[in-house]
Amino acid sequence: KAGVTQTPRYLIKTRGQQVTLSCSPISGHRSVSWYQQTPGQGLQFLFEYFSETQRNKGNFPGRFSGRQFSNSRSEMNVSTLELGDSALYLCASSFGRQGATQETQYFGPGTRLLVL
Amino acid sequence: QKEVEQNSGPLSVPEGAIASLNCTYSDRGSQSFFWYRQYSGKSPELIMFIYSNGDKEDGRFTAQLNKASQYVSLLIRDSQPSDSATYLCAVKKGGSTLGRLYFGRGTQLTVWP
Repeated sequence: KAGVTQTPRYLIKTRGQQVTLSCSPISGHRSVSWYQQTPGQGLQFLFEYFSETQRNKGNFPGRFSGRQFSNSRSEMNVSTLELGDSALYLCASSFGRQGATQETQYFGPGTRLLVL
Repeated sequence: QKEVEQNSGPLSVPEGAIASLNCTYSDRGSQSFFWYRQYSGKSPELIMFIYSNGDKEDGRFTAQLNKASQYVSLLIRDSQPSDSATYLCAVKKGGSTLGRLYFGRGTQLTVWP
C-alpha cells in the first residue's frame, strides 16, 4: 500500500507571496492532519480534515488555511508569507475513527518551505 | 503545564545497551499513546502504539504505560547506531475530538559504537 505523499518536497518563496501544499493520504484514510515543524517549536498542529470538513484547528493565524477534497486529498495554503513561516510542513493521515488503530497517524515526507 | 512532556535529552548510550525514553502527559483521560522515530531531515515514522496499562513488545522495542502515574515509556533493547534519532511521544487526549494528537518535543538519542 502506498504511503502518504506530499508535493512539492521543497519550495522557496519570498515574503508576501502565498503557497499551496498538497497531501495525498494512504488509500482508505479519511483524516488528514497538518503540522508545522521548526527547530525551536517542535511539531505544531495546524488543522485536521475528515470527510471534507475541518474537525480540529490549532492556534495559527488565519493566513493558514486548508481544505480536503472528496477523494481525501488535502491542500493547505499560506498567504502573505513571513520569514517565520520557514519550516517543514508535514501531513499525516489516519482512518480518523475511534480506537488506537483507527487514530494512528502516518506521516508523509514533508514539504520544506524556505521564505526569503 | 504542557500537554505532553519528554525528557529533553540528549540521551547517549553505547551500542548494545538499553535506551529508556520517558514521556508524561497532563490529561488523566488520555486514551492512546504513540511513539514515533524521526531521523534528521526526515519525517516521523511510527514505532508502535499502546492503550492498555502494562507492557507491549515489538521486536527490540517495548512500550510501557502507567495511566495512574500518567507515564509512558519506550525501551530500546540492544541499541544500535541506526537507532540514533529523535523519538516523539504522542497522546490522544480523552474527550478531545478525533483526529488530534498531542506531541512532545522529542528526545534525541545517540547510540555510539
